[in-house]
Amino acid sequence: KQEVTQIPAALSVPEGENLVLNCSFTDSAIYNLQWFRQDPGKGLTSLLLIQSSQREQTSGRLNASLDKSSGRSTLYIAASQPGDSATYLCAVPPPPGNTGKLIFGQGTTLQVKP
Amino acid sequence: NAGVTQTPKFQVLKTGQSMTLQCAQDMNHNSMYWYRQDPGMGLRLIYYSASEGTTDKGEVPNGYNVSRLNKREFSLRLESAAPSQTSVYFCASSEATLASYEQYFGPGTRLTVT
Repeated sequence: KQEVTQIPAALSVPEGENLVLNCSFTDSAIYNLQWFRQDPGKGLTSLLLIQSSQREQTSGRLNASLDKSSGRSTLYIAASQPGDSATYLCAVPPPPGNTGKLIFGQGTTLQVKP
Repeated sequence: NAGVTQTPKFQVLKTGQSMTLQCAQDMNHNSMYWYRQDPGMGLRLIYYSASEGTTDKGEVPNGYNVSRLNKREFSLRLESAAPSQTSVYFCASSEATLASYEQYFGPGTRLTVT
């Protein structure tokens, strides 16, 4: 059974710092991995989708990497800003043969202090 | 292009009352999903619809019913609400249930059952 874990559960950093959020999964037979952002009381916004054939995906100050063999993905945020404060979730599809139901980690809540 | 929309945004019900949560997407996606999000439990799939005319149970279907009204709309019904159904409900859609899809989420419905 696929399990997705995100550590740490919460992170507080000063503005301007570079930071890394971690996501691990137990079954490496994934087709892709998706990173989301959720602001308090809001829905989920898709940030990046990495296909299994990719090792990295970049969008602005965000860079996501994927290492299937070790069951890990990282989300790197450069030069963090207070506006980056939110909960970040990673999610993977189930193993082949199942329909497209995402399996989510518990999320990392990030606070960037001015 | 509104993406995924949900109504209502907030709802308070008394135990035993019924209601329907509405979801619509304008991206011509085949698949639609209903999740609930609870503190400490993360996001859990209630029901999904791989394509128009089909629906299947997710992880936590008890107490809910769904209807895929057409390709655009996917509703979630609580027949007899219980306090355990107090949660934030998210609807999502994706192009297909094949491996390389990406899911898009609505803003959520915050439901309280007293």
